[in-house]
Amino acid sequence: SQTIHQWPATLVQPVGSPLSLECTVEGTSNPNLYWYRQAAGRGLQLLFYSVGIGQISSEVPQNLSASRPQDRQFILSSKKLLLSDSGFYLCAWSVGAGEETQYFGPGTRLLVL
Amino acid sequence: QKEVEQNSGPLSVPEGAIASLNCTYSDRVSQSFFWYRQYSGKSPELIMSIYSNGDKEDGRFTAQLNKASQYVSLLIRDSQPSDSATYLCAVSGQNFVFGPGTRLSVLP
Repeated sequence: SQTIHQWPATLVQPVGSPLSLECTVEGTSNPNLYWYRQAAGRGLQLLFYSVGIGQISSEVPQNLSASRPQDRQFILSSKKLLLSDSGFYLCAWSVGAGEETQYFGPGTRLLVL
Repeated sequence: QKEVEQNSGPLSVPEGAIASLNCTYSDRVSQSFFWYRQYSGKSPELIMSIYSNGDKEDGRFTAQLNKASQYVSLLIRDSQPSDSATYLCAVSGQNFVFGPGTRLSVLP
């Protein structure tokens, strides 16, 4: 069966510091991968998605970036965090080519102070 | 017009009642529809998907789809306090879009 991992689970970072969040998927090959952000009490905002290694599409221009160095690894980064980057970051995966159901990881709660 | 709309709630129902959650979407080419449940502080989990007009039942949950009206709903029968959560509607067409969610509170 497929599982998705995210770490860290929680993170408190000062404004201006860098960020690296990691997501890995087990039990499937060539998944589509997604990064979402959910601000407190708000809906899901799609940040990035990837259909393969090195292929990243950005949905929202901001100070975040994403990379996919391996088939089942997706990384969200920032060089300098803003207060507005606080939120719940969710990684999701789906099977490529026709199956759209997305399955979510446990999430990373980020607080920028 | 937002792509996927849901009443934000909170929707409060007594234990044992039927909870009815509604979702409308704007993209007429949408083909796949999903309901997720999200407990406070947790990630969304898939409850069910529906692809064809009509009803689809899974235990206490029934999804209803009407593509002509661009409307999808989720009924929860015999609601339990453990059903208290935010319910997200998601629609897949040209894009995969989540609604803002409806917060459901089941009162003991």
